[in-house]
Amino acid sequence: GEDVEQSLFLSVREGDSSVINCTYTDSSSTYLYWYKQEPGAGLQLLTYIFSNMDMKQDQRLTVLLNKKDKHLSLRIADTQTGDSAIYFCAESRYSSASKIIFGSGTRLSIRP
Amino acid sequence: KAGVTQTPRYLIKTRGQQVTLSCSPISGHRSVSWYQQTPGQGLQFLFEYFSETQRNKGNFPGRFSGRQFSNSRSEMNVSTLELGDSALYLCASAPGGMNTEAFFGQGTRLTVV
Repeated sequence: GEDVEQSLFLSVREGDSSVINCTYTDSSSTYLYWYKQEPGAGLQLLTYIFSNMDMKQDQRLTVLLNKKDKHLSLRIADTQTGDSAIYFCAESRYSSASKIIFGSGTRLSIRP
Repeated sequence: KAGVTQTPRYLIKTRGQQVTLSCSPISGHRSVSWYQQTPGQGLQFLFEYFSETQRNKGNFPGRFSGRQFSNSRSEMNVSTLELGDSALYLCASAPGGMNTEAFFGQGTRLTVV
């Protein structure tokens, strides 16, 4: 079945770039997402990319997609303490929020 | 523009009881999806409602059901609660067309004792 995998933890120094990596198995994935979850909060959609795109940039966020290797990455430039959260990689064949397959989440911690 | 509202935020129920959770989507959004988040299983899709009809369904037992009203508000019901149903239940609202910008609510944290 479909699966999304990502590492569980990442620690970076404040001001450095953070890169969170993800792999997925469903070659029919059309939409690939990055969500952020802060303690006690719901999910915040950070950005998404269509499977026919290679890259998307939005302010401090850069998403890279290697469709051949089914590899997705999220780069956060100039990481700040407010970026501490769990980041979920996710994919879906559908539009809206239907049948999204989520990874287990990467906990990003920031060192001073 | 108001966000996605889920009520209640916290709930404690006893095994065997049933529970109803509510989700009010963003105004104009017609699609509502429900997800269960647990430490062990992570985030799992329950079902999606669009224009009062269930459009997609995940792999949950029949004890989990939902519905959507004409104003797009959705309710989720869990009957015969089990300890393993303790979770954060998240609702996502989307326009329902090709726009993929779905917005999640804060969730309802259900504890079954």
